[in-house]
Amino acid sequence: AQKVTQAQTEISVVEKEDVTLDCVYETRDTTYYLFWYKQPPSGELVFLIRRNSFDEQNEISGRYSWNFQKSTSSFNFTITASQVVDSAVYFCALSEAGGSTLGRLYFGRGTQLTVWP
Amino acid sequence: DVKVTQSSRYLVKRTGEKVFLECVQDMDHENMFWYRQDPGLGLRLIYFSYDVKMKEKGDIPEGYSVSREKKERFSLILESASTNQTSMYLCASSPGYNTEAFFGQGTRLTVV
Repeated sequence: AQKVTQAQTEISVVEKEDVTLDCVYETRDTTYYLFWYKQPPSGELVFLIRRNSFDEQNEISGRYSWNFQKSTSSFNFTITASQVVDSAVYFCALSEAGGSTLGRLYFGRGTQLTVWP
Repeated sequence: DVKVTQSSRYLVKRTGEKVFLECVQDMDHENMFWYRQDPGLGLRLIYFSYDVKMKEKGDIPEGYSVSREKKERFSLILESASTNQTSMYLCASSPGYNTEAFFGQGTRLTVV
């Protein structure tokens, strides 16, 4: 079973629109970590954020914000006033602190975001 | 700046060839990973290593092996390349468990 589900395969928006990328995760561990990565057309994954399971505070960084809700096992990512340069594939990932997985990352299948001018 | 370097950006190999994909990191990271990325499937973990000479199978290790003789270098080996191994291969490293991983630029491998 997928540990991380990104139900949106592709999203298209017009510049300046707000857009939310959904991420739902599944784990039995009480201590875990959630991540978002961006993969622009150049191909290299760029780390955006890491949150631990005990910190449910929402985070804002410029036009980016993240909403972590343990009750719904979701870690959604919102881009405000989107720009063409935000066009990329975005991946959500999970790592579990339990010893058997050695802290490896489990990735979702990604959401292709296209921002049109 | 954190740097993970993969030896080739693009590679074309013939079926049955032995293929080596090299990855070097300059951050003294303990952990290194090899993923493959295919459309619609996201990133799937092939192998990872948490120490020199140590390796662990990921989700899709069949047809692959790895080598980590030095801390900074993690090699992925396709013992006998097949067309279904045509893919984008991504190497990553991280300083410890549950930390963010830093990725290389990827190697697009085509097996003909």
